[in-house]
Amino acid sequence: LAKTTQPISMDSYEGQEVNITCSHNNIATNDYITWYQQFPSQGPRFIIQGYKTKVTNEVASLFIPADRKSSTLSLPRVSLSDTAVYYCLVARGKIIFGKGTRLHILP
Amino acid sequence: EAGVVQSPRYKIIEKKQPVAFWCNPISGHNTLYWYRQNLGQGPELLIRYENEEAVDDSQLPKDRFSAERLKGVDSTLKIQPAELGDSAVYLCASSSRVRQSTDTQYFGPGTRLTVL
Repeated sequence: LAKTTQPISMDSYEGQEVNITCSHNNIATNDYITWYQQFPSQGPRFIIQGYKTKVTNEVASLFIPADRKSSTLSLPRVSLSDTAVYYCLVARGKIIFGKGTRLHILP
Repeated sequence: EAGVVQSPRYKIIEKKQPVAFWCNPISGHNTLYWYRQNLGQGPELLIRYENEEAVDDSQLPKDRFSAERLKGVDSTLKIQPAELGDSAVYLCASSSRVRQSTDTQYFGPGTRLTVL
Protein backbone atom coordinates (compact mmCIF):
# COMPACT_ATOMS: atom_id res chain seq x y z
CA LEU A 1 0.00 0.00 0.00
CA ALA A 2 1.15 3.52 -0.78
CA LYS A 3 0.48 5.21 2.54
CA THR A 4 0.51 8.98 2.93
CA THR A 5 0.79 11.18 6.00
CA GLN A 6 -0.52 14.74 6.22
CA PRO A 7 -1.11 17.22 9.03
CA ILE A 8 -4.58 16.84 10.49
CA SER A 9 -5.35 20.55 10.33
CA MET A 10 -3.91 23.95 9.44
CA ASP A 11 -5.02 27.54 9.91
CA SER A 12 -4.03 30.51 7.80
CA TYR A 13 -5.21 34.00 6.89
CA GLU A 14 -6.66 35.42 3.75
CA GLY A 15 -4.05 36.55 1.26
CA GLN A 16 -1.35 34.26 2.62
CA GLU A 17 0.35 31.43 0.79
CA VAL A 18 -0.44 28.04 2.28
CA ASN A 19 1.78 25.00 1.97
CA ILE A 20 0.51 21.53 2.88
CA THR A 21 3.10 18.78 2.97
CA CYS A 22 2.39 15.12 2.42
CA SER A 23 4.78 12.31 3.28
CA HIS A 24 4.84 9.19 1.11
CA ASN A 25 7.99 7.32 2.05
CA ASN A 26 7.23 4.13 0.13
CA ILE A 27 6.34 5.77 -3.16
CA ALA A 28 7.20 3.57 -6.13
CA THR A 29 8.92 4.51 -9.38
CA ASN A 30 5.72 4.67 -11.42
CA ASP A 31 3.56 6.40 -8.81
CA TYR A 32 2.12 9.85 -9.37
CA ILE A 33 0.99 12.15 -6.57
CA THR A 34 -2.52 13.53 -6.76
CA TRP A 35 -4.25 16.11 -4.58
CA TYR A 36 -7.98 16.52 -4.10
CA GLN A 37 -10.02 19.23 -2.37
CA GLN A 38 -13.30 18.60 -0.61
CA PHE A 39 -15.83 21.17 0.54
CA PRO A 40 -18.59 20.29 3.02
CA SER A 41 -21.50 18.40 1.44
CA GLN A 42 -19.59 17.89 -1.79
CA GLY A 43 -17.48 15.12 -3.29
CA PRO A 44 -13.71 15.58 -3.59
CA ARG A 45 -12.46 17.62 -6.51
CA PHE A 46 -9.19 17.06 -8.38
CA ILE A 47 -6.70 19.90 -7.85
CA ILE A 48 -3.34 18.87 -9.23
CA GLN A 49 -1.16 15.90 -10.08
CA GLY A 50 2.56 15.49 -10.51
CA TYR A 51 5.46 13.09 -10.80
CA LYS A 52 8.56 15.13 -10.05
CA THR A 53 9.92 18.66 -9.60
CA LYS A 54 7.16 21.25 -9.99
CA VAL A 55 3.71 21.37 -11.51
CA THR A 56 1.58 24.49 -11.65
CA ASN A 57 -1.96 25.11 -12.77
CA GLU A 58 -4.47 27.91 -12.29
CA VAL A 59 -5.35 26.69 -8.81
CA ALA A 60 -2.16 25.48 -7.13
CA SER A 61 1.43 24.38 -7.42
CA LEU A 62 2.86 21.04 -6.48
CA PHE A 63 6.48 20.69 -5.42
CA ILE A 64 8.11 17.27 -5.40
CA PRO A 65 11.74 16.88 -4.28
CA ALA A 66 14.17 14.60 -6.06
CA ASP A 67 13.66 11.65 -3.70
CA ARG A 68 9.85 11.96 -4.14
CA LYS A 69 9.25 10.85 -0.57
CA SER A 70 7.17 13.93 0.09
CA SER A 71 5.27 16.56 -1.80
CA THR A 72 4.00 20.04 -1.00
CA LEU A 73 0.76 21.52 -2.23
CA SER A 74 1.04 25.30 -2.44
CA LEU A 75 -2.04 27.51 -2.55
CA PRO A 76 -1.14 31.12 -3.42
CA ARG A 77 -3.00 33.98 -1.77
CA VAL A 78 -5.77 31.95 -0.16
CA SER A 79 -9.27 33.24 0.39
CA LEU A 80 -12.05 32.18 2.74
CA SER A 81 -13.40 29.93 0.00
CA ASP A 82 -10.26 27.79 0.18
CA THR A 83 -11.42 26.44 3.54
CA ALA A 84 -11.74 22.74 2.83
CA VAL A 85 -10.18 19.34 3.38
CA TYR A 86 -7.21 18.51 1.18
CA TYR A 87 -6.24 14.93 0.40
CA CYS A 88 -2.94 13.63 -0.91
CA LEU A 89 -3.01 10.33 -2.79
CA VAL A 90 -0.38 8.09 -4.27
CA ALA A 91 -2.19 5.94 -6.79
CA ARG A 92 -1.00 2.36 -6.58
CA GLY A 93 -2.97 -0.73 -5.70
CA LYS A 94 -5.52 0.26 -3.10
CA ILE A 95 -6.90 3.78 -3.33
CA ILE A 96 -6.56 5.30 0.13
CA PHE A 97 -7.66 8.85 0.87
CA GLY A 98 -6.71 9.00 4.53
CA LYS A 99 -8.16 11.73 6.74
CA GLY A 100 -6.71 14.61 4.78
CA THR A 101 -5.75 18.08 6.05
CA ARG A 102 -8.48 20.41 7.26
CA LEU A 103 -7.48 23.88 6.13
CA HIS A 104 -9.24 26.76 7.83
CA ILE A 105 -8.77 30.23 6.36
CA LEU A 106 -9.38 33.12 8.72
CA PRO A 107 -10.30 36.68 7.69
CA GLU B 1 -20.27 18.63 -19.84
CA ALA B 2 -22.47 17.11 -17.16
CA GLY B 3 -20.73 15.81 -14.06
CA VAL B 4 -21.36 12.65 -12.11
CA VAL B 5 -25.01 12.47 -11.11
CA GLN B 6 -26.20 10.75 -7.97
CA SER B 7 -29.62 10.23 -6.51
CA PRO B 8 -31.12 10.59 -4.08
CA ARG B 9 -29.13 13.31 -2.34
CA TYR B 10 -30.54 12.39 1.04
CA LYS B 11 -32.16 9.26 2.40
CA ILE B 12 -33.51 8.48 5.86
CA ILE B 13 -34.56 4.94 6.65
CA GLU B 14 -35.09 2.72 9.64
CA LYS B 15 -32.67 -0.05 10.40
CA LYS B 16 -33.30 -3.36 8.68
CA GLN B 17 -34.85 -1.59 5.71
CA PRO B 18 -33.33 -1.81 2.23
CA VAL B 19 -31.92 1.20 0.41
CA ALA B 20 -30.47 1.82 -3.04
CA PHE B 21 -28.30 4.55 -4.50
CA TRP B 22 -27.97 5.38 -8.16
CA CYS B 23 -25.05 6.85 -10.07
CA ASN B 24 -24.70 8.11 -13.63
CA PRO B 25 -21.02 8.67 -14.48
CA ILE B 26 -19.54 11.17 -16.88
CA SER B 27 -20.14 10.12 -20.46
CA GLY B 28 -17.31 8.02 -21.82
CA HIS B 29 -15.79 7.17 -18.46
CA ASN B 30 -15.20 3.45 -18.29
CA THR B 31 -14.24 3.30 -14.62
CA LEU B 32 -16.74 3.80 -11.82
CA TYR B 33 -16.14 3.88 -8.08
CA TRP B 34 -18.36 3.71 -5.04
CA TYR B 35 -17.01 5.15 -1.79
CA ARG B 36 -18.36 5.48 1.71
CA GLN B 37 -17.38 8.51 3.77
CA ASN B 38 -17.98 8.67 7.50
CA LEU B 39 -18.02 11.97 9.31
CA GLY B 40 -14.52 13.39 9.70
CA GLN B 41 -12.93 10.66 7.62
CA GLY B 42 -11.72 10.39 4.06
CA PRO B 43 -13.62 8.42 1.45
CA GLU B 44 -13.24 4.65 1.72
CA LEU B 45 -13.39 2.66 -1.50
CA LEU B 46 -16.15 0.06 -1.59
CA ILE B 47 -16.00 -1.15 -5.18
CA ARG B 48 -14.42 -0.25 -8.49
CA TYR B 49 -15.79 -1.16 -11.91
CA GLU B 50 -13.96 -1.32 -15.20
CA ASN B 51 -16.84 -1.21 -17.66
CA GLU B 52 -19.27 -3.87 -16.39
CA GLU B 53 -16.70 -5.80 -14.39
CA ALA B 54 -16.16 -5.32 -10.67
CA VAL B 55 -12.36 -5.41 -10.51
CA ASP B 56 -11.94 -4.46 -6.85
CA ASP B 57 -14.69 -5.24 -4.35
CA SER B 58 -12.50 -6.36 -1.49
CA GLN B 59 -13.82 -3.63 0.81
CA LEU B 60 -17.49 -4.23 0.03
CA PRO B 61 -19.35 -5.90 2.95
CA LYS B 62 -20.88 -8.57 0.80
CA ASP B 63 -23.28 -9.90 3.40
CA ARG B 64 -25.45 -6.82 3.05
CA PHE B 65 -24.05 -4.68 0.24
CA SER B 66 -24.40 -5.34 -3.45
CA ALA B 67 -23.67 -3.34 -6.55
CA GLU B 68 -24.22 -3.62 -10.24
CA ARG B 69 -23.25 -1.71 -13.34
CA LEU B 70 -25.41 -2.83 -16.19
CA LYS B 71 -24.14 -2.10 -19.69
CA GLY B 72 -21.09 -0.44 -18.21
CA VAL B 73 -22.77 2.93 -17.64
CA ASP B 74 -25.10 3.59 -14.70
CA SER B 75 -24.56 1.84 -11.42
CA THR B 76 -26.63 0.99 -8.37
CA LEU B 77 -25.38 0.31 -4.86
CA LYS B 78 -27.76 -1.48 -2.53
CA ILE B 79 -27.78 -2.17 1.18
CA GLN B 80 -30.11 -4.82 2.57
CA PRO B 81 -30.73 -4.75 5.44
CA ALA B 82 -29.35 -1.42 6.59
CA GLU B 83 -27.72 -1.11 10.01
CA LEU B 84 -27.19 1.93 12.19
CA GLY B 85 -23.47 1.90 11.32
CA ASP B 86 -24.24 2.33 7.65
CA SER B 87 -25.10 5.99 8.19
CA ALA B 88 -22.61 7.84 6.02
CA VAL B 89 -22.23 9.67 2.73
CA TYR B 90 -22.01 7.38 -0.29
CA LEU B 91 -19.97 8.86 -3.09
CA CYS B 92 -19.78 7.81 -6.69
CA ALA B 93 -16.85 8.76 -8.90
CA SER B 94 -15.84 8.05 -12.47
CA SER B 95 -12.69 8.27 -14.54
CA SER B 96 -11.32 7.39 -17.93
CA ARG B 97 -8.45 5.55 -16.22
CA VAL B 98 -5.96 5.29 -19.00
CA ARG B 99 -3.29 4.45 -16.43
CA GLN B 100 -3.77 3.65 -12.78
CA SER B 101 -0.92 5.91 -11.75
CA THR B 102 -2.45 9.03 -13.31
CA ASP B 103 -6.10 8.21 -12.75
CA THR B 104 -8.13 11.35 -12.08
CA GLN B 105 -11.49 10.76 -10.48
CA TYR B 106 -14.53 12.98 -10.83
CA PHE B 107 -16.92 12.75 -7.91
CA GLY B 108 -20.63 13.21 -7.60
CA PRO B 109 -22.21 15.15 -4.72
CA GLY B 110 -22.94 12.00 -2.76
CA THR B 111 -25.98 10.53 -1.04
CA ARG B 112 -26.25 11.17 2.68
CA LEU B 113 -27.79 8.12 4.33
CA THR B 114 -29.21 8.25 7.82
CA VAL B 115 -30.27 4.98 9.42
CA LEU B 116 -32.53 5.36 12.45
